[in-house]
Amino acid sequence: SAVISQKPSRDICQRGTSLTIQCQVDSQVTMMFWYRQQPGQSLTLIATANQGSEATYESGFVIDKFPISRPNLTFSTLTVSNMSPEDSSIYLCSVWTSGGELFFGEGSRLTVL
Amino acid sequence: QQQVKQSPQSLIVQKGGISIINCAYENTAFDYFPWYQQFPGKGPALLIAIRPDVSEKKEGRFTISFNKSAKQFSLHIMDSQPGDSATYFCAATADRGSTLGRLYFGRGTQLTVWP
Repeated sequence: SAVISQKPSRDICQRGTSLTIQCQVDSQVTMMFWYRQQPGQSLTLIATANQGSEATYESGFVIDKFPISRPNLTFSTLTVSNMSPEDSSIYLCSVWTSGGELFFGEGSRLTVL
Repeated sequence: QQQVKQSPQSLIVQKGGISIINCAYENTAFDYFPWYQQFPGKGPALLIAIRPDVSEKKEGRFTISFNKSAKQFSLHIMDSQPGDSATYFCAATADRGSTLGRLYFGRGTQLTVWP
């Protein structure tokens, strides 16, 4: 398994601002991902955070809106840029372990006013 | 297009009963099928997972049944308890190459177990 810490756990932000979410893993992992969970909905993959290179985004998500950094094998950040109320969601960091399983952090609950 | 279809959307079960949640998929390349349990305000927790080389996997009160030919898999919760009340998500992925770790999730099932 993996222990995944996310910060902040929750935040309330104003429209037009940006927020950076941090994800720290207790061990080195090759694969890290960012998911979004809109209120009462399922999980949708935003992007794969690649160590040392640009993230790989899923259809419907772009780098200008969700820039991602992955400076090493235990840390990643997701920024939600120029936020609107539609960005109010839970943002989840996840890692694929060497054991072949996907684990999630507790999530960062974002409310945009 | 929904890659993984999950039903029912909500489920109410009496304490001690059996909870059954079903999922179906289309992509025959999928070869890893996990179930996640999520409590309000928490991240999804991996509950149990199966790969196509077996048709059933049991961990405590939780069992996954897998039917490769029908492209279906289900979660059975035996002796359901009020503490099992949560949202359950099935998921699937092809456990290799560029799709490694990229899970497709069902829409979720809200389970309520009455005492």
